[in-house]
This record gives sequence, structure tokens and C-alpha cells, in this order.
Amino acid sequence: GAGVSQSPSNKVTEKGKDVELRCDPISGHTALYWYRQSLGQGLEFLIYFQGNSAPDKSGLPSDRFSAERTGGSVSTLTIQRTQQEDSAVYLCASSAKLASAQYFGPGTRLTVT
Amino acid sequence: ELKVEQNPLFLSMQEGKNYTIYCNYSTTSDRLYWYRQDPGKSLESLFVLLSNGAVKQEGRLMASLDTKARLSTLHITAAVHDLSATYFCAVDPFINTGTASKLTFGTGTRLQVTL
Repeated sequence: GAGVSQSPSNKVTEKGKDVELRCDPISGHTALYWYRQSLGQGLEFLIYFQGNSAPDKSGLPSDRFSAERTGGSVSTLTIQRTQQEDSAVYLCASSAKLASAQYFGPGTRLTVT
Repeated sequence: ELKVEQNPLFLSMQEGKNYTIYCNYSTTSDRLYWYRQDPGKSLESLFVLLSNGAVKQEGRLMASLDTKARLSTLHITAAVHDLSATYFCAVDPFINTGTASKLTFGTGTRLQVTL
């Protein structure tokens, strides 16, 4: 079956511009997560959505980062006024239930020039 | 703050040999996950360990969890070249029921299996 999909796969943007990254989770998965992976920081949790509960935003590095999940499915991660340190691979994952494996998408490689 | 440490960071081993990757973590948790990442690719789930003493095996890989020692191991038996990848452990600082898993990842172990 279809896995987690993300778009775009690559994004190059100029410093100061806003970007939107999209995640389409596995159908029926109630939990959706955003992580980012960079050489300097490794894999870091950003935010998760669980059903209709308020999202846990505790991993967002600054108020330039925000995310939403519409209709309990697709999620968009928005980075405003991008900075060079935002360059990383942004990974989305979903899981069917608590304490089950998280399935990761292919990621979006963001480069801020 | 939960800290997750893996060692070694890099492991070069010959085909046919056995080795173990260690994952130590700093706070109480009984949820630990192992992932594999190939270069330029995303993360592939290998094992989900949910209780003290849990042991799971898939092919040449076996993972175990000791929650009292806050330690998980990933044992590789008779390594083959196809196992070359980076392996991550990830810990869920489980607080209470009803919360989703917010994983803290280890630094990763880059495994290179040589012929």
C-alpha cells in the first residue's frame, strides 16, 4: 500500500523567503510527526498531531516554524523568513496507534541560500 | 532532558563477523525503536521494543531492551554487505497513556560491512 509521501522532494530558497512543506500520511494513521535531520543536530523532533488533540509543538525551534493538519490527514509545515540554519532534511512520519512503529516519508531536502 | 547515546558511531566489520551496537538512554522509558537509514534515503523501521526484556529478531539482526539498565542492543550475526547502513535507536519518553510517541534519536551508528 501507499506509504507516507512528502513534497517537494527538494526545495532551494533564498534566505528570508517563506516555504511550505507538505506531508501525506498513511491512510488511517491518526498520529503524524515532523522531524528534521541535519549534520550538526542529528534527528530532532519538531511537532506531532494526534487525532483531534492539540498538537505538541514543543520541538519547534522558533516561532518562525508552524504546522497544521487539515481534516486529520494532510499536514503542512511552514517556515517563515528562512535562515541558513534551517537547511536540513525535513521528515514526516505517521503511526496507526500509540507505541507502534512510525513510518517515515522520503523527506524534503531544504536548502536556504 | 532525555539523552540517547549510541556506540560505536562508526563500525567497520568484515562479512561473516558478529557485532553489537549499544544504545543507552538517560530517563525511564519502556518504548524503544530501531531504524535503518541508507544513504540519501529515509528511515526504515526495524524493531519496536515495548517492555523490559523484549527481544526481537529479523534475519541477521536481533534487538533487545533492558529498561532497568536503560540499555538496548542491536546484535548483528554473520554480517553481510547488504547490512551496510546507518542504524538509529530512538526512545519515547513515555509519560502517560494517551500521548503519542515523541522520539528522541541517538546519534546513529554507521555500519560498513566489507567483503
